[in-house]
Amino acid sequence: DTGVSQNPRHKITKRGQNVTFRCDPISEHNRLYWYRQTLGQGPEFLTYFQNEAQLEKSRLLSDRFSAERPKGSFSTLEIQRTEQGDSAMYLCASSFPAGGAYNEQFFGPGTRLTVL
Amino acid sequence: QKEVEQNSGPLSVPEGAIASLNCTYSDRGSQSFFWYRQYSGKSPELIMFIYSNGDKEDGRFTAQLNKASQYVSLLIRDSQPSDSATYLCAVLSNSGYALNFGKGTSLLVTP
Repeated sequence: DTGVSQNPRHKITKRGQNVTFRCDPISEHNRLYWYRQTLGQGPEFLTYFQNEAQLEKSRLLSDRFSAERPKGSFSTLEIQRTEQGDSAMYLCASSFPAGGAYNEQFFGPGTRLTVL
Repeated sequence: QKEVEQNSGPLSVPEGAIASLNCTYSDRGSQSFFWYRQYSGKSPELIMFIYSNGDKEDGRFTAQLNKASQYVSLLIRDSQPSDSATYLCAVLSNSGYALNFGKGTSLLVTP
């Protein structure tokens, strides 16, 4: 399978705990994105990496959220001190280096987080 | 005003008919537009992108863009029950990185 992969697929945690998600992009893609989707809404942009550099962060990404892409390959998204409002599907996407006007982004299967 | 707006539906069409899904956007400077399909419980799947005014066809799908009126639409010809899903319209932000999504339109194709 050469698509975007994400782990875990499901995560249930208690309020106040920390969680970490992993995303492995399509191998030749150097651009990686994180989105969050809640029920009945479209995905909302969280952050963007080009190689290992985090170039854009949404105001939605509070100081409890941190994302890394240390070697320009896989990425992790950590949420500290989770709150019930963090319950959502966390989606990772990647795109070709060309980007530009097209920037076709391909999504992974997502990690569904439930905070109890 | 939300940046990307879609009618949430549901839009119900009979099998074999043409389904027409519409989307409007607020930023007149937007350049690139995408349609994603999302089945319940699954992640978005890219169907088409369009960046020039006019029509772009790919199989049973046609994307239409009118920048002057700030709308983009998706036509699905010969609709099949397997087309039943939520269709998300996305507009590339001015940064060139983030996609701004609408809430999606739920499509139901009845046999």
